[in-house]
Amino acid sequence: GAVVSQHPSRVICKSGTSVKIECRSLDFQATTMFWYRQFPKQSLMLMATSNEGSKATYEQGVEKDKFLINHASLTLSTLTVTSAHPEDSSFYICSAKPGQGKPEAFFGQGTRLTVV
Amino acid sequence: GENVEQHPSTLSVQEGDSAVIKCTYSDSASNYFPWYKQELGKRPQLIIDIRSNVGEKKDQRIAVTLNKTAKHFSLHITETQPEDSAVYFCAASTHSSASKIIFGSGTRLSIRP
Repeated sequence: GAVVSQHPSRVICKSGTSVKIECRSLDFQATTMFWYRQFPKQSLMLMATSNEGSKATYEQGVEKDKFLINHASLTLSTLTVTSAHPEDSSFYICSAKPGQGKPEAFFGQGTRLTVV
Repeated sequence: GENVEQHPSTLSVQEGDSAVIKCTYSDSASNYFPWYKQELGKRPQLIIDIRSNVGEKKDQRIAVTLNKTAKHFSLHITETQPEDSAVYFCAASTHSSASKIIFGSGTRLSIRP
């Protein structure tokens, strides 16, 4: 199957700083990638849809100025959590679909963000 | 937008018995329904999926059924084993690579020895 790689897997940052998370499709091109957030014992909640070469589409209630998404190439999307606060501590996961008639999505390893 | 509801939230079954998890979806445009197994701190793993042109699909001990009219779909695990203990998520999407996947709330399955 296709491979989606996410980096870093874990990050600890101080409150008020920014953190960048990368999501790469290693063996396919992804014009669209998706970013999810998962709090402990909860489901994956879609934050935004990342579109190559254009603005991301954010879900209701997600602050676009706080969660900056850049999809500058067909294999890379980045999520930057700006001015992080402890309540932003969560598990962030990206996904992408290779398409070509196959609807299956592939997920990155996830990033455990801890804001102290 | 799409809304996926899943129940039960927790399920405990005796090893060897069957487990059933049920989901409903709201958007009639959804035509792809994957099921994921997630272990703590890991990415979701696709265990089976079904497209709207079929009503049932089976893969060894795992089966999924779909009722398009009622917008219901279910996961059935037979002959459960300890390694089946995990959190399971249903989801809904379409075939398009640009179509987002919306997840249900999850079911924590525990297999009692």
